[in-house]
Formats: sequence, structure tokens, C-alpha cells
Amino acid sequence: AQTVTQSQPEMSVQEAETVTLSCTYDTSENNYYLFWYKQPPSRQMILVIRQEAYKQQNATENRFSVNFQKAAKSFSLKISDSQLGDTAMYFCAYRSGGSNYKLTFGKGTLLTVNP
Amino acid sequence: ETGVTQSPTHLIKTRGQQVTLRCSSQSGHNTVSWYQQALGQGPQFIFQYYREEENGRGNFPPRFSGLQFPNYSSELNVNALELDDSALYLCASSLGGLAGMYEQYFGPGTRLTVT
Repeated sequence: AQTVTQSQPEMSVQEAETVTLSCTYDTSENNYYLFWYKQPPSRQMILVIRQEAYKQQNATENRFSVNFQKAAKSFSLKISDSQLGDTAMYFCAYRSGGSNYKLTFGKGTLLTVNP
Repeated sequence: ETGVTQSPTHLIKTRGQQVTLRCSSQSGHNTVSWYQQALGQGPQFIFQYYREEENGRGNFPPRFSGLQFPNYSSELNVNALELDDSALYLCASSLGGLAGMYEQYFGPGTRLTVT
């Protein structure tokens, strides 16, 4: 079974600075997808960024980028120019490339952006 | 295009009772997944429905059951409620298919409290 580990329960960053959230995962599969989801205090889960395991290039979405290290099974999220609205729980998630679209989540990292 | 909606928003039940939670998927989506998120934890996969058929189940007992309707909306039923069933229940919809690469879009959740 796949597992996802987020070792930082809480982090804080000053507005406009850069922060990196860590995620490691364990799988024996070669075809899979990795995601970072954001869950603000209003609780609706929002997709931040997605990475396909077969792609070597790291995904980027505006201020959000990932460092995907397949051999090390590491998938960190970098947030540049942090904004107050980035304050939220961040979840790393894994999905197999097969037909079952089950997401396996880590326990999350609570990120607080301070003014 | 309407997003994923869930009802009710909050619910309080007594141990031993039964509950039904509802989810309307995003327009055009044919796959619905249900997750249980206990306080301070990441979401745990309950089951998924694709075109009205169950398409995978997590480690939850049979008293957790579901349905998907022809319009792809879905219900989660929980019988014989236990105190540990208190959680946020999230519904996510996606466009399923052989590619298996479509993101899941989450609803706002239903907060269930069992007393």
C-alpha cells in the first residue's frame, strides 16, 4: 500500500518570503501522480499543483513550484512571494496511474503567513 | 459550470442512528469519491463510484455504503453510527476514464458530529 508522509505539522513564513513544504511517499509503482492540495479555514480543498511521475520536469503554477525527486520519492512544494491568503492546511497526495482514482493523503502541514 | 456541492453543511446525530449525506458532482463529471477527514488528519478514502458502479473501496466497514444516481450525484450512508464517525465528510468529483489523469474537485464537506 502507498503511504504519504508530511513531517512538518506546522510552518510559518513572513509575507513575501519563500517557504518549502516537504513530502515523501512510498510506492512500488512506476506510473502515478502526485498532488498538493490547499485547504483554507473555510475547508474547501483546492488543487494547487500536479506532477505526473513520468515527467522529469518539475511542475510550476505561478508562485507554486515543486521539486520532484523520483528516486528519493520526495515531492516538496515551494511557495514564492508568500501572501496572507496562502495561510491554510497543505496536503500532499498520491494517486496510482491505474483505473482507481483513490487519493492517498498525508497528514498535512499547517502554513501560517505572517504580515 | 457549477462546482461540487454537499448537503447538509452540519449534522448532529446520536450513536446508533443512521445518516445520509448527499453530493452533487460538478457538471460533466461521472466519478464521485468520498473521503472521511478526522480532526487534524488528512482525508481517508472511503469509496468511489464511476458511472453508478462502485470502483474501489478503502478500509471502511460495510456500514458505510453509497449510491450514485444516473445524474452522477451521490449519497453516502452510514448505519449504526459510532462516536469515531465524527468527522468532516468530503465528496470529490472527476471525469473518470481510461486515462486516469483527471483531477478531483472537492466539495465543501459535511461536518458530522456523533454524540
